[in-house]
Amino acid sequence: EDKVVQSPLSLVVHEGDTVTLNCSYEVTNFRSLLWYKQEKKAPTFLFMLTSSGIEKKSGRLSSILDKKELSSILNITATQTGDSAIYLCAVDTHYGGSQGNLIFGKGTKLSVKP
Amino acid sequence: KAGVTQTPRYLIKTRGQQVTLSCSPISGHRSVSWYQQTPGQGLQFLFEYFSETQRNKGNFPGRFSGRQFSNSRSEMNVSTLELGDSALYLCASSFDGQGGYTFGSGTRLTVV
Repeated sequence: EDKVVQSPLSLVVHEGDTVTLNCSYEVTNFRSLLWYKQEKKAPTFLFMLTSSGIEKKSGRLSSILDKKELSSILNITATQTGDSAIYLCAVDTHYGGSQGNLIFGKGTKLSVKP
Repeated sequence: KAGVTQTPRYLIKTRGQQVTLSCSPISGHRSVSWYQQTPGQGLQFLFEYFSETQRNKGNFPGRFSGRQFSNSRSEMNVSTLELGDSALYLCASSFDGQGGYTFGSGTRLTVV
C-alpha cells in the first residue's frame, strides 16, 4: 500500500530559527513529490520535485528530493510568525487508475513564536 | 485567473440527511479531484473526474458519490450523513490529473 510519512508531526520554534521538515514515501511508480502549505483552508503549492538532488528554492524556503532514500526535506530559514502553518507532503504516482490521486502525509504543524 | 471555487464554505447538517457540495475548477482544467480532511486521518482521496467520467476512486463507502458537468464543474454528494462525515472537503483541479494541482478553500461540513 502506498504511504507517505512526515516528521515531526508538530514543531514549535522561535522567530529566526531554521527548521527542517521531513517526508518519506513508499509508493508504486513515483512521478513527483509536492509540498503544500496550509494555513486556514486551501493548501497552497510550494514545490514540486521530480529529480533527485536538485534543490528548489523560493525565498527562505528550499526543498530537495532524494530518490535513493525515498525522501525529501523542506527547509525554512529565518522563520517568521507568518510561517506558522501545516506543511503537507504529497506524492503523485503514474499508473492506471492513479490519476488525480495525491497521497498525502499527515502533515507537520509548525508554530513560530515571536 | 480565478482560482478553484468551492461552495458553500460552511454547512451544518443533521444525521441521515444528504448534502451536495460544488467545485468550479480553474478555467481550462479538466480534472477535478475531491479529498476529505480530518484531524485524525489527514487528507484522503475520494475520487477524480475528467471529462465527465470518474477515472479513479478512493476507499470510501458508496454514500459518497460525485459527478462532473460538461463545463468541468463538479459536485459531490454524501447521502445518509453520519457524524463521522464531519470534515473539511477539498477539491483540487488540474489540467489532466497528472500534476499541477490547485486546491480550493474547501467546504467545512458539520454533521450534528
